[in-house]
Amino acid sequence: QSALTQPASVSGSPGQAITISCTATSSDVEGYNYVSWYQLHPGKAPKLMIYDVIVRPSGVSGRFSGSRSGSTASLTISGLQPEDEADYYCSSYFTGTLVFGGGTKVTVL
Amino acid sequence: EVHLLESGGDLVQPGGSLRLSCAASGFTLSNYYMSWVRQPPGKGLEWVSGISGSGDGTSHADSVKGRFTVSRENSKNTLYLHMSSLRAEDTAVYFCAKTKWERHSAPGPFDYWGQGVLVTVSS
Repeated sequence: QSALTQPASVSGSPGQAITISCTATSSDVEGYNYVSWYQLHPGKAPKLMIYDVIVRPSGVSGRFSGSRSGSTASLTISGLQPEDEADYYCSSYFTGTLVFGGGTKVTVL
Repeated sequence: EVHLLESGGDLVQPGGSLRLSCAASGFTLSNYYMSWVRQPPGKGLEWVSGISGSGDGTSHADSVKGRFTVSRENSKNTLYLHMSSLRAEDTAVYFCAKTKWERHSAPGPFDYWGQGVLVTVSS
């Protein structure tokens, strides 16, 4: 079964750039073109930040960008701001099921 | 404006049953694949179940297969999750989520989510 591995935590100072990785631990990387990223603040509904690896929905800050290299997708937050402190989850559709990564807690120092 | 509102969360004993509802507004529900996603306390997100716009196609995570059933009543703009044989590990906040693409046949990406409803399985 496919799985997505994320670092448990990433931190940075205001104004810095940070990158969160999401690695597929399966040979089934064809479906890895459908990587999405979600932001979760406690008590709030999840928010879609990136879909189809690199596409940013309207209304999402341009400081958020996505990329992929082989079986690893990444979310980069540029110009880190206090409101970016949240949990971030990657997800991807593999045949028959949708899988989420374990989540990464972003801390703004 | 798209709005999703879950209801039906409760405290239930192990082995019990519960039905969650998700009232949708602001879009044509029948045109969209819908899903349920859960988050156990202190843990990550897990996709649970999904259903096609017409309701003729469903899919469930292995962890709930045979115990949970997803359904929908498009005429009432409502999505359901029927949960039975509940276990302690089913304790979670359950979200309903709308797939971004119209007439898509698979879950995700999710462009709108509800606020979630808490299900607690405990004796």
